[in-house]
Amino acid sequence: AQKITQTQPGMFVQEKEAVTLDCTYDTSDQSYGLFWYKQPSSGEMIFLIYQGSYDEQNATEGRYSLNFQKARKSANLVISASQLGDSAMYFCAMTTGANSKLTFGKGITLSVRP
Amino acid sequence: SQTIHQWPATLVQPVGSPLSLECTVEGTSNPNLYWYRQAAGRGLQLLFYSVGIGQISSEVPQNLSASRPQDRQFILSSKKLLLSDSGFYLCAWSVGVSNQPQHFGDGTRLSIL
Repeated sequence: AQKITQTQPGMFVQEKEAVTLDCTYDTSDQSYGLFWYKQPSSGEMIFLIYQGSYDEQNATEGRYSLNFQKARKSANLVISASQLGDSAMYFCAMTTGANSKLTFGKGITLSVRP
Repeated sequence: SQTIHQWPATLVQPVGSPLSLECTVEGTSNPNLYWYRQAAGRGLQLLFYSVGIGQISSEVPQNLSASRPQDRQFILSSKKLLLSDSGFYLCAWSVGVSNQPQHFGDGTRLSIL
């Protein structure tokens, strides 16, 4: 079975600074996908970025990048130039094999200070 | 473009009452559909998923059920709500390929009194 671990307590970052949100995963499958979602206080889940297990390059989407270290089974999200609107809960999730079901971590709360 | 609608946004129900939450998707055909529950300050727990009309897989045994009467309609139901059913319910869809993201509705906040 697969597992996602997010253990950081609430994170704080100064506006315009970069921040890294940690995610480690565990699976016996060789083929898997890693996702990050943002959940603002309003509740909707917003897809941010995807990394496939066979992708050689780290994924990037605008200010978001994924620091994928396969040997360490980590998939950390890096947010550059933080904005006040980045304050939210962030979830790491994964799919394995051909299965599209997502397994979520418990999430990390990020607060951006002006 | 594809959109997902979920309603109601907020619901307050007494213990023992029935429940029906509805989710519809527009702009795509034969999506995979999912129901999740999120307890306060916690991650998402997958409750049900469906790969086609009438095909429902249950992930967690409970007093909830799901149905998919039409290709792009997914319904979460209960005959008798329990206090433990309180939470934030999210519907999602995907194209059913593991490297494509799920897209979520705005959620329903359910409070059981």
